[in-house]
Formats: sequence, C-alpha cells, structure tokens
Amino acid sequence: SYELTQPPSVSVSPGQTARITCSADALPKQLVHWYQQKAGQAPVVVIYKDSQRPSGIPERFSGSSSGTTVTLTISGVQPEDEADYYCQSADSSGTYVFGTGTKVTVL
Amino acid sequence: EVQLLESGGGLVQPGGSLRLSCAGSGIILNNYAMSWVRQGPGKGLEWVSSVHSGGSYSDYADSVRGRFTHSRDNSKNTLFLQMNGLRAEDTAIYYCAKVVAGLYFDIWGQGTLVSVSS
Repeated sequence: SYELTQPPSVSVSPGQTARITCSADALPKQLVHWYQQKAGQAPVVVIYKDSQRPSGIPERFSGSSSGTTVTLTISGVQPEDEADYYCQSADSSGTYVFGTGTKVTVL
Repeated sequence: EVQLLESGGGLVQPGGSLRLSCAGSGIILNNYAMSWVRQGPGKGLEWVSSVHSGGSYSDYADSVRGRFTHSRDNSKNTLFLQMNGLRAEDTAIYYCAKVVAGLYFDIWGQGTLVSVSS
C-alpha cells in the first residue's frame, strides 16, 4: 500500500520559516494535499494538488514538489500556525492515505 | 454556508453496532462523493470509507471492510455509516468529509466520538 512519511515534529520561532516534508514510498508520486488540524478541531485543507492554496488560506502557506517528496512551507510563521499538519494522497485504487502527521510548535 | 454535521457516536461494547449520520446543510450530499475519516485518541488521521455520488459505489479500508456499510437518505440529505462488529481499535472521532475530484477533502464536519469498550 502507498505510504506517506512525515517528520514527527518541527519547531520554529515566530517570523521564521517552517518546512514540513512528506515522502512517498513509491512511484509514480500522486498529487499531495495538506491539512492543518488545531487542537480539538477538524482538519482544514491548506494546500491541494501539491501547490494550490484554497481561498481564505494565508499566502504564507505554500507547497512544492520534487521527485517523491512534497514540502509544505509556512513563511513568517505566526503563533496561530501551531497545529498538527497532515499530507494526504489518493492512490491508484481509489482509496486515500494520510501521512503520519507533523506537530508544528511555535517557540 | 456549507456545513456537515455528524451524529450517532457513543459508547458501545465490543461486537456491538452503531449508525453514524452526516447531515448536509447548504449542500446536496447526493451530488458529491463523500468519505468518512477517523482519528483514534492521540493518533493521526485514517481514511475509513468513501461513497461515490449517487451512492452507486463504495470503497472501504481493509480494517473495516465487511463490517461497515454506507447508505443514504436523500430526502433528509443525510449519509449514514452502519458500523457492525465494533472493536476496541475502532475507538475514534469519526469525521465525514466532502471529496473533491476523487483527490482530497475540502469540507469536514466537526466529528462524532465512538468509544468501544466493555
């Protein structure tokens, strides 16, 4: 089955840049989407199709892809960005897989 | 405003059954593919199941196939997840979510908690 691996945690100071990677274990790499989940809340999509940002999501959130690794970048991190972040993809069989999740701590 | 509202969670003994509901507001659920995603206590997100628009076809994760089943009541604009043979490892918050183009989830409900314990 298709697996997505993320670092367990990323720590960053306010105003700095946070980068969260999501590595697929197989080719071809499928499109990847990113969700932010704050404590006690439902997930919210912040990037879809590797690099597209939904309306209402701040411009400091961006996505990029290289090979089998996709990266979510938060530029100029704000305290309210502290959350868990999950990547997600749809595999060729029509099922969905989530990454292992990354906890972003704003110092 | 588009909203999804889950209900039906609760405490159930191992081997028991529950039926979760996902009601749509500002959206006709039958027009979209919908999914259930769960999150165990302190754990990550896990896709559970999807039903295609019109309810013609469903997919299930290996962990729930044969035990969970979708249904819809279009007159009530509601999606159901019938969960039978529940196990302790099914304990989780269950979210319903709208699927976009078979790729990702753009709208999520607030979740309903299912606890399986004796």
